Amino acid sequence: AQSVTQLDSQVPVFEEAPVELRCNYSSSVSVYLFWYVQYPNQGLQLLLKYLSGSTLVKGINGFEAEFNKSQTSFHLRKPSVHISDTAEYFCAVSVVTGTASKLTFGTGTRLQVTL
Amino acid sequence: DAEITQSPRHKITETGRQVTLACHQTWNHNNMFWYRQDLGHGLRLIHYSYGVQDTNKGEVSDGYSVSRSNTEDLPLTLESAASSQTSVYFCASSPGLLHSGNTIYFGEGSWLTVV
Repeated sequence: AQSVTQLDSQVPVFEEAPVELRCNYSSSVSVYLFWYVQYPNQGLQLLLKYLSGSTLVKGINGFEAEFNKSQTSFHLRKPSVHISDTAEYFCAVSVVTGTASKLTFGTGTRLQVTL
Repeated sequence: DAEITQSPRHKITETGRQVTLACHQTWNHNNMFWYRQDLGHGLRLIHYSYGVQDTNKGEVSDGYSVSRSNTEDLPLTLESAASSQTSVYFCASSPGLLHSGNTIYFGEGSWLTVV
């Protein structure tokens, strides 16, 4: 069975500093990995996804993530954060069942950006 | 624009009452999902459907039921509300396999308080 672990429940960072949000997965089959962002009182929005090909994936709002098969990781990075990046970030893995698929989420990381 | 809407957005109910949360999408997506979001647990899958008349249990399905009589709607029913079901509920939909490039879209959430 696939699962996702987000080790950091909260990450405080100053504006314009770099940030890395960690995500590790476990799976016995091919994985498809996703990062979602949730702004306060809103639903989830897709940041980026890894399906195949290049292990470095670029997403919206300047975020990127690197798929590392040997370390079973899919860490999210941004070189310089803004106040507006304050949100909850979720890593997720796609689980294929028959002819369809669903997402299994990690527990989330709260990114708090301050001046 | 096509969208996914949830109603009610906020509800307070009493223990033991039956509650139904509505989810309606206008994208004609086959796949629909219900998740609950709780602090420390992230999003957990309650029920999902891959088409009309198809329903499946997720990891936290006890006390919940769904029905899929048409493509657009997947109502979630709490048979006898319990305080442990106080949560934020998210409906989501996708047109097909996530690792084929399809995206899962989330509603804005329904805040349910059981007193």
